[in-house]
Formats: sequence, C-alpha cells, structure tokens
Amino acid sequence: DAKTTQPNSMESNEEEPVHLPCNHSTISGTDYIHWYRQLPSQGPEYVIHGLTSNVNNRMASLAIAEDRKSSTLILHRATLRDAAVYYCILAGFNQGGKLIFGQGTELSVKP
Amino acid sequence: NAGVMQNPRHLVRRRGQEARLRCSPMKGHSHVYWYRQLPEEGLKFMVYLQKENIIDESGMPKERFSAEFPKEGPSILRIQQVVRGDSAAYFCASSGATVNTEAFFGQGTRLTVV
Repeated sequence: DAKTTQPNSMESNEEEPVHLPCNHSTISGTDYIHWYRQLPSQGPEYVIHGLTSNVNNRMASLAIAEDRKSSTLILHRATLRDAAVYYCILAGFNQGGKLIFGQGTELSVKP
Repeated sequence: NAGVMQNPRHLVRRRGQEARLRCSPMKGHSHVYWYRQLPEEGLKFMVYLQKENIIDESGMPKERFSAEFPKEGPSILRIQQVVRGDSAAYFCASSGATVNTEAFFGQGTRLTVV
C-alpha cells in the first residue's frame, strides 16, 4: 500500500493560516489524496480530497504538487475548534476502496 | 438527511459476554466500513461491507468478531466472549461509492469490558 508521511505535531496561532504537509512519494496515478480530521472524542470528519488539481471548499484548501508526491492542507484562518488530528490518506483501487489511517498530525491552536 | 447513526454510544460488558454494535449508514449509502480505535492509538480498519456482502475483512480478528450488513436494517459488528483488550471506540463510516467520494463517520460506540 502507498504510504503517507506527516509530522507528528504542529502548533498554530489562532486566526493565522496553517499549512499541514504530507509526503506520498509512492502514490499511484489512480490514488486520490484525502484529508480527514478527528476532534477529541469524536469520529473522523471529512475535510477535502483531490486527484491532481488544487481544490478549495468551505473548510480548507488542498494544494497538490505537480508530481503528486506531496500535498499540503491549508487552513486559511485557524480557530480553536480546528485543534484536531489531521490525517492524509491515499484512497484508490490499490487500497481496495477503503481508507487506511496513519498516525496523522496533531494540530494545536493557541489563542 | 441524518448522518451515520451508531448505537449504543456507550456499552459496558462483562468479560465473556457478547457485544453488538449497530450502524445505520446515511440514506442512499451502500458502503459501510468499521474501524477500531484503542485508547491513545490510531484508527485501524476492520471490515468493509456492501449490502449483504463482505468485501474486505482483512482487519478483523480471526476469532470472536463478525460483521454483517443485511438487505434491510443496520450493519452489525458482533464481538463474542469479549475480553478486556476489546475495550475501544468502534467507528462506522458509510459512503455512496469508493475511492473518489467522501466517507461519513458516526460518533462511535465506546465499549468497555469489565
């Protein structure tokens, strides 16, 4: 299975942008890049996903490198409610259509 | 459109009893996934089901655990003869398709074995 590598933890200040990196050098051409987050004591929550082009939605932006070997989740203005573990996941036919979670990045947001 | 509903939210069982965890997917979703999260650990895939079929059970322990997703009704994760090591949060997710769509997760069932 293609793997992703993320920093274990990151810190941010409230109302500042946050860039969460993810490396996936063994990504295959048909793998989608998904991001989920898990707030304390809750189930994971979908954030965004993309294949090749950068993507924007109401929660975040996803910037995908041209060679697709890395991507960055961008939270434009972090709030205290964004403190969570963020997971970068490759999803495709190679993974049998299921999401395989790694360790993720624990984001803390300081007021 | 209600989200993914899991019940019960909390379940306490004595060692040796059976635990039945229920998951009602979002309306129109035919793909269901179960995950387990041990305390202070990450989410581990257990099983992937479509209506009446088990697609992938590579993450399921070989004994005591079973899952079903009948034609009618919720998906059930069943743990027989529970042991203390089964204490964990069990999450269910559903999607309308695989790969290129989002999955929606329930709030989980927290199983405590005493």
